[in-house]
Amino acid sequence: GNSVTQMEGPVTLSEEAFLTINCTYTATGYPSLFWYVQYPGEGLQLLLKATKADDKGSNKGFEATYRKETTSFHLEKGSVQVSDSAVYFCALSITNNNDMRFGAGTRLTVKP
Amino acid sequence: GAVVSQHPSWVICKSGTSVKIECRSLDFQATTMFWYRQFPKQSLMLMATSNEGSKATYEQGVEKDKFLINHASLTLSTLTVTSAHPEDSSFYICSAPRLAGGEQYFGPGTRLTVT
Repeated sequence: GNSVTQMEGPVTLSEEAFLTINCTYTATGYPSLFWYVQYPGEGLQLLLKATKADDKGSNKGFEATYRKETTSFHLEKGSVQVSDSAVYFCALSITNNNDMRFGAGTRLTVKP
Repeated sequence: GAVVSQHPSWVICKSGTSVKIECRSLDFQATTMFWYRQFPKQSLMLMATSNEGSKATYEQGVEKDKFLINHASLTLSTLTVTSAHPEDSSFYICSAPRLAGGEQYFGPGTRLTVT
């Protein structure tokens, strides 16, 4: 079946550190891949997405590249800020975004 | 961006009672809405797809008689947890795409605690 595996947290970094959160997927067909962020007390927000192999999604300094050969969509940011503290979810969708499968989520805490 | 609201944001109920959770799309119409359940420190699990004007589609293992879904209008879907038990305590989240096949917008979630 379709599934997403992402690195377990929690992850704690100092401000301005480099961030990588690994995400790999298993899917039949050609999925679209997403990263969602959930700030404390808020709903999930789309952070970035990629719809085909080699696409790079980017937003707010975060990037992720759709790697079909390694079935991965790792999230990266060169310099994290305290305000990036949140839970990050990797997700995939096969059928036009209407059937999304989420990873377990990774809690990121950035300390000043 | 599009906004999806949920009400209530949290609810505490006694075992055996029923609880209704509302999901509204505030600035767009949604023929389809999705209901998820999130356990502590775990990911979202899709429970069902709510379809306006027709029956909901439930994921395998989700009891449709337990979790009643009604998509009453193009802006409102409700999830009723019937005869709630402590194991139903969880965080329930809805989402809706503004356009068919488009980006999903998530509600802030409803925390249900059954005592």
